Amino acid sequence: EAQVTQNPRYLITVTGKKLTVTCSQNMNHEYMSWYRQDPGLGLRQIYYSMNVEVTDKGDVPEGYKVSRKEKRNFPLILESPSPNQTSLYFCASSLSNQGLRRETQYFGPGTRLLVL
Amino acid sequence: DQQVKQNSPSLSVQEGRISILNCDYTNSMFDYFLWYKKYPAEGPTFLISISSIKDKNEDGRFTVFLNKSAKHLSLHIVPSQPGDSAVYFCAAWQTGTASKLTFGTGTRLQVTL
Repeated sequence: EAQVTQNPRYLITVTGKKLTVTCSQNMNHEYMSWYRQDPGLGLRQIYYSMNVEVTDKGDVPEGYKVSRKEKRNFPLILESPSPNQTSLYFCASSLSNQGLRRETQYFGPGTRLLVL
Repeated sequence: DQQVKQNSPSLSVQEGRISILNCDYTNSMFDYFLWYKKYPAEGPTFLISISSIKDKNEDGRFTVFLNKSAKHLSLHIVPSQPGDSAVYFCAAWQTGTASKLTFGTGTRLQVTL
């Protein structure tokens, strides 16, 4: 089954304790992205990756890191989480972003993070 | 700076009636628009899209209208069904950037019996 998976789905942590949220897709997609969803703000892009070893900042990258060592995986790293990073996080992927017709993005189920 | 706005946080519609969800944008460089639907505890799923060279796109019960001069798009669902109850996000791609999909704040649709 074609899908985007995220782990963990729920996480409670404390300020300053490094954590990683994993994201994996099995569709051989080139493009992957991370978003956070907050009430009244919709989904905001954190980081994206056009392909392996190619990553760039989205709208709200502060406090986050990513890496893209393999095509299928795109982990989100919070080196020193703070309470303002409490949010619902979504990973997404799409085949590519080239051409006039933008490929639709496929989203994972979300990771709900609480930073105390 | 919210470049894609959905001014109605919620909407309630009776089953069988038309649901109209609205979206306004400010960036004239947006050239491709999408609607995503999101159920609780799930990720958003793609619903329908429209290119800026068109003013209407239909897919079954769903129709998206684009008014470029007003920088406004709308999603019509006819007839509305209880299973349509979800949060709907409007999103836009910007010309020249292959990377960034800008989302609106979402509208929660409740279809009542």
